[in-house]
Amino acid sequence: EPEVTQTPSHQVTQMGQEVILRCVPISNHLYFYWYRQILGQKVEFLVSFYNNEISEKSEIFDDQFSVERPDGSNFTLKIRSTKLEDSAMYFCASRNRGDYEQYFGPGTRLTVT
Amino acid sequence: DAKTTQPNSMESNEEEPVHLPCNHSTISGTDYIHWYRQLPSQGPEYVIHGLTSNVNNRMASLAIAEDRKSSTLILHRATLRDAAVYYCILRDDFNKFYFGSGTKLNVKP
Repeated sequence: EPEVTQTPSHQVTQMGQEVILRCVPISNHLYFYWYRQILGQKVEFLVSFYNNEISEKSEIFDDQFSVERPDGSNFTLKIRSTKLEDSAMYFCASRNRGDYEQYFGPGTRLTVT
Repeated sequence: DAKTTQPNSMESNEEEPVHLPCNHSTISGTDYIHWYRQLPSQGPEYVIHGLTSNVNNRMASLAIAEDRKSSTLILHRATLRDAAVYYCILRDDFNKFYFGSGTKLNVKP
């Protein structure tokens, strides 16, 4: 069964450093999403992406964040200058046109020290 | 976004049915009701969704009140693998998806 994959599974970085989280959505999907979940808290929507542009973004997704689909398979989330409060699990999801279900990846745990 | 209210936690015995309630009194006519679950250390997983009519799939059933102000996710025979946090989510826009706090389901052997 096709699945969303994410790399790395765990990323440790120092405050102020840039990080790129990578996702490979399901191959024929057209809609892509990033969410985050701070430890012990609820899953929070960050951004949705379609047709090579951002469709929606939450107030969390400020200028420190960016997304990109650099080729036909990868979907990345970049945090330019990480802060301690960016420590969280980051989930990528994808969806096909006409499909209600979002398929989530296993997540990347980001730890900012 | 319309708000949902769910109990923080529920407990069930293995092999017994589980009814997970969700209140959404401010639901609008175009809001779909979605249920996702999150198993420990995993990403959320789709369970079921509906608009007005009750729905069944291989994982669960969704019972929607006639006024749509509440719904119930029904797991017909809970297994230990069903222990997870279950989220009831309303949305009318497929590009925005807001999770609430969910119900943590504990299944006892």
